[in-house]
Amino acid sequence: DAKTTQPTSMDCAEGRAANLPCNHSTISGNEYVYWYRQIHSQGPQYIIHGLKNNETNEMASLIITEDRKSSTLILPHATLRDTAVYYCIVRVPSGSSNTGKLIFGQGTTLQVKP
Amino acid sequence: EPEVTQTPSHQVTQMGQEVILRCVPISNHLYFYWYRQILGQKVEFLVSFYNNEISEKSEIFDDQFSVERPDGSNFTLKIRSTKLEDSAMYFCASTLTSESYEQYFGPGTRLTVT
Repeated sequence: DAKTTQPTSMDCAEGRAANLPCNHSTISGNEYVYWYRQIHSQGPQYIIHGLKNNETNEMASLIITEDRKSSTLILPHATLRDTAVYYCIVRVPSGSSNTGKLIFGQGTTLQVKP
Repeated sequence: EPEVTQTPSHQVTQMGQEVILRCVPISNHLYFYWYRQILGQKVEFLVSFYNNEISEKSEIFDDQFSVERPDGSNFTLKIRSTKLEDSAMYFCASTLTSESYEQYFGPGTRLTVT
């Protein structure tokens, strides 16, 4: 699985958009980008994933650069409850000679401030 | 919404004792995982389980660890002889099929070895 690089921490004002970057310069053609978050030692929570097109769901948007070497997770209107550690993970989907394990890095600690 | 449950939420045990951590994955899921997180550190993959057998395990998952799905609902992690360094948060996760992109995590069991 490709390695990812994320900033250690970021701040965001409540109500503003939070843009969390991730570099994955060694990503291969069949690897997806996944984002999870972990709120204060709770179990990690899936947010969104993508291959090459930008994706949006009820939680967030994922912007993947054309060369796929980096991506940005966007929380459009951050709330205090979005304060968490955000993990960017790159891997092939389950079933493609992959047991589905997730390899977590240190992630980005996002602090949403009032 | 279906969820993964784990019991107990907190387990205190003495060094050398056996512990069993229990998980009830989402009922129609087929792939099961255990992860651990030592306080202040990243989430680490331990083992994946499919079709009643281990499909992958990490270096952490040595002979002191075992997993079992004794019936159609529970998924357990046993540590035979606990060490101080086994103190951590243990998370269970499950996915629906090999094509699933989202892993559902339980709330975790905090294991404290004294």
